[in-house]
Amino acid sequence: AQSVAQPEDQVNVAEGNPLTVKCTYSVSGNPYLFWYVQYPNRGLQFLLKYITGDNLVKGSYGFEAEFNKSQTSFHLKKPSALVSDSALYFCAVRGSGSARQLTFGSGTQLTVLP
Amino acid sequence: DTAVSQTPKYLVTQMGNDKSIKCEQNLGHDTMYWYKQDSKKFLKIMFSYNNKELIINETVPNRFSPKSPDKAHLNLHINSLELGDSAVYFCASGRGDREKLFFGSGTQLSVL
Repeated sequence: AQSVAQPEDQVNVAEGNPLTVKCTYSVSGNPYLFWYVQYPNRGLQFLLKYITGDNLVKGSYGFEAEFNKSQTSFHLKKPSALVSDSALYFCAVRGSGSARQLTFGSGTQLTVLP
Repeated sequence: DTAVSQTPKYLVTQMGNDKSIKCEQNLGHDTMYWYKQDSKKFLKIMFSYNNKELIINETVPNRFSPKSPDKAHLNLHINSLELGDSAVYFCASGRGDREKLFFGSGTQLSVL
């Protein structure tokens, strides 16, 4: 069975500082990894994905994520946080041999303080 | 035009009632999904349809029945609503395993 762990329910960071939202995964086969963001009362929006290739993936709104196979991690990062980045962030994984089921982590609430 | 639209946005009903949530996507995707988000924001897949055929059916009570009249629509019918059904239900669509999902804005279901 595949799973995703987001060890931090809440991450607080000051505006202008770098941010990291952690994600580790467990899956059989090669992983397809995704980050989504959810703003209040909205559906999830895609940020970025890792399928294959470079371990550093760049996505929307200046976010990037680093795939680390040995640590089975896919942490989300941004060099300089904005107050508008405050939202709920979900990591998700799908195994390359699975029946199209995307498993989500429990979410991390990011708060960027002005 | 909204890519994935679901109606209604809010649904307040009494225990024991039957209700439906509708979802439509205009992206030409072949796969559609229903997800349930509970009060702790945890997201769990309920159903997945590919070209009108059910391909994922997680452990969901039989009271929940998806219906896909065509590739662009996936409706969710819920019979005999219970208090524990209160949640936000999201519809989503996608093109393939490697591609991102597009989500609707959610239906907030409150069972009283």
